[in-house]
Amino acid sequence: DAKTTQPPSMDCAEGRAANLPCNHSTISGNEYVYWYRQIHSQGPQYIIHGLKNNETNEMASLIITEDRKSSTLILPHATLRDTAVYYCIGTTAGGYQKVTFGIGTKLQVIP
Amino acid sequence: ETGVTQTPRHLVMGMTNKKSLKCEQHLGHNAMYWYKQSAKKPLELMFVYSLEERVENNSVPSRFSPECPNSSHLFLHLHTLQPEDSALYLCASSQEWWDNEQFFGPGTRLTVL
Repeated sequence: DAKTTQPPSMDCAEGRAANLPCNHSTISGNEYVYWYRQIHSQGPQYIIHGLKNNETNEMASLIITEDRKSSTLILPHATLRDTAVYYCIGTTAGGYQKVTFGIGTKLQVIP
Repeated sequence: ETGVTQTPRHLVMGMTNKKSLKCEQHLGHNAMYWYKQSAKKPLELMFVYSLEERVENNSVPSRFSPECPNSSHLFLHLHTLQPEDSALYLCASSQEWWDNEQFFGPGTRLTVL
């Protein structure tokens, strides 16, 4: 897995966009960026993944820089239910490489 | 609701007890996983099964014994555990063992006295 670096914690006001950064300067050409989140006392939940193009789904958007050394997960309108630990993971897709969870970013959405 | 269920949700056991954790997935996936999450630590992958065959065993002590009777069910048999084994045990599944989009169950909170 590529080494990823995330801030340990962030706050976001309810209703505003939450922008969670991730650095992955050693990511290789065939490694995807995956994002998961874990709400307190629950199992992790897959959010989104991408290789080099920006991706969007019903939960979030993923913006990957052109050099692929960093990315940002965007929750467009954060709610209190988005309070969770967010994990950025660099790993291959379609070929076996286990998903390795780091410490992640604790996002606190504030009313 | 992720389609992955785990029972029991909470378990307290003594060091001499034998207990089992159960996981069931209703997603038609072929791969299932056991993870351990200790307090203040990242998730640790313990076992990976694909179509009832074990494909990964991450140096887990033998007091943890997995069983996968079919692709929908996964068990973790526990015996002579230690207090440091107290943790949240998470089950997950994915379409194939190389698929990194995993669906997690709610976990079993295990306390070893």
